[in-house]
Amino acid sequence: EIVLTQSPGTLSLSPGERATLSCRASQSVSGNFLAWYQQKPGQAPRLLIYGASSRATGVPDRFSGSGSGTDFTLTISLLEPEDFAVYCCQQYGGSPYTFGQGTKLEIK
Amino acid sequence: QVQLQESGPGLVTPSQTLSLTCTVSGDSVSSGHYYWTWIRQPPGKGLEWIGYFHHSGTTYYNPSLKSRVSISADRSKNHFSLNLSSVTPTDTAVYYCARGIPMARRLVFGFYFDYWGQGTLATVSS
Repeated sequence: EIVLTQSPGTLSLSPGERATLSCRASQSVSGNFLAWYQQKPGQAPRLLIYGASSRATGVPDRFSGSGSGTDFTLTISLLEPEDFAVYCCQQYGGSPYTFGQGTKLEIK
Repeated sequence: QVQLQESGPGLVTPSQTLSLTCTVSGDSVSSGHYYWTWIRQPPGKGLEWIGYFHHSGTTYYNPSLKSRVSISADRSKNHFSLNLSSVTPTDTAVYYCARGIPMARRLVFGFYFDYWGQGTLATVSS
C-alpha cells in the first residue's frame, strides 16, 4: 500500500501569511489521483482539492494544489482565520486508498 | 444538498460486532455513479479507508480489515451499513461515512470523497 507522509506535522502562521503543506508518497501515485481535505473538530471533513490540482466546488481560490508522482503540495495563499484546521491528503490511484497523518495549521 | 448521517451504539463490548448505519439524504444509494464508503479515524491518528458499496452490488474492503468487515445497503431506507466483527479496543475510532466520486484519467480509475458525515465515535471497551 502507498504510505503518505505529510510535513510539517504542525505549522504555525499568522492570518495573511502563505501556507505550504507537503504530502509525499512512498511510490508514484497513479493518475496523480491525490486529494486534500480540511478537518475541523466536530465537523465533517471538507474536500478541497482532487486530481492533485482541481479545486472542489465552492472552495476559495486562495487554496491551490500542485505536484505529481510522489510529491504534492497544498498552498493557501493568504490565510484567513477560518483556515486554521487540520489538512490531510489522500491517494486514490491504487488500492487500498490511503491518507496522510495530517498537518495541523495553527495560529501563531 | 447531499447529507450523510452516521448512527449506531457508542459503546461496543470486545469480541462483539460493531454495527453502524449511514442515512443518506439528497441522493440515493441506488445511484449508479457513486461509491458509498466507510472511513475511520482512531484517536490521535490518521484516517483509514474501510471499504465501499456500489449500487451494482459490488463491495471492496481494505485488506487489513477484510476478514471482519461487511458493507451493505438498504435501498428502501436509503441507507448503507457497516458491520465489523470481533472488535478489540484498537477498533475504537470515529467512523465516517462518505460519498465517493469516481474519476478516470489515462486508464487509471479511482474515487475521492465529496460529502462526508460528521462522524460517530465508537468505543470498544468492557
